[in-house]
Amino acid sequence: GAVVSQHPSWVICKSGTSVKIECRSLDFQATTMFWYRQFPKQSLMLMATSNEGSKATYEQGVEKDKFLINHASLTLSTLTVTSAHPEDSSFYICSARGAGGNGYHGYTFGSGTRLTVV
Amino acid sequence: QKEVEQDPGPLSVPEGAIVSLNCTYSNSAFQYFMWYRQYSRKGPELLMYTYSSGNKEDGRFTAQVDKSSKYISLFIRDSQPSDSATYLCAMRSNSGNTPLVFGKGTRLSVIA
Repeated sequence: GAVVSQHPSWVICKSGTSVKIECRSLDFQATTMFWYRQFPKQSLMLMATSNEGSKATYEQGVEKDKFLINHASLTLSTLTVTSAHPEDSSFYICSARGAGGNGYHGYTFGSGTRLTVV
Repeated sequence: QKEVEQDPGPLSVPEGAIVSLNCTYSNSAFQYFMWYRQYSRKGPELLMYTYSSGNKEDGRFTAQVDKSSKYISLFIRDSQPSDSATYLCAMRSNSGNTPLVFGKGTRLSVIA
């Protein structure tokens, strides 16, 4: 089945530094990537949607200059948290959808990245 | 009113019990309905999906969708301690690459 590899699985960084999270689709071409964040005991909140080769579309309230999304190829999308602060500490999850015909089950999730900013 | 409502629990049941989880929604455009299981600090994994109204069974799991009531359910029979996780309902419309809309998730504990 479709697999999305997300790295790193956890990261601790100092306040003010930047962190890059990668999601790779291993056996399909991810034309669309969704990025979510999840706070403890909360649901997944959509941050942005990116289509390969296009600029990402951010949800209301998500700073595009802080959360940089790059989707330059059909198998790789990255989320960079710039100038991270403690309030950015969260669980970040990507979800990839392949080219047409996948229907509902094209939404394959990565394993998540736990970011802690100290 | 949120688009998708789900009781966060926690829900604690003895091993072997039948578990009923459910969600309500307000957007009549939703056509695809999914249930995901999420273990702590892991990404969600798809358990069941249903298109439009109806029932679907897979082993110990049964998903039901009642579009007239905007109500979906997941039943787990003969629950096992390994079923202890957070269960998220998710749904989407039929148009393009729309993202999934998730419920809050219900934390389930199955006690041996």
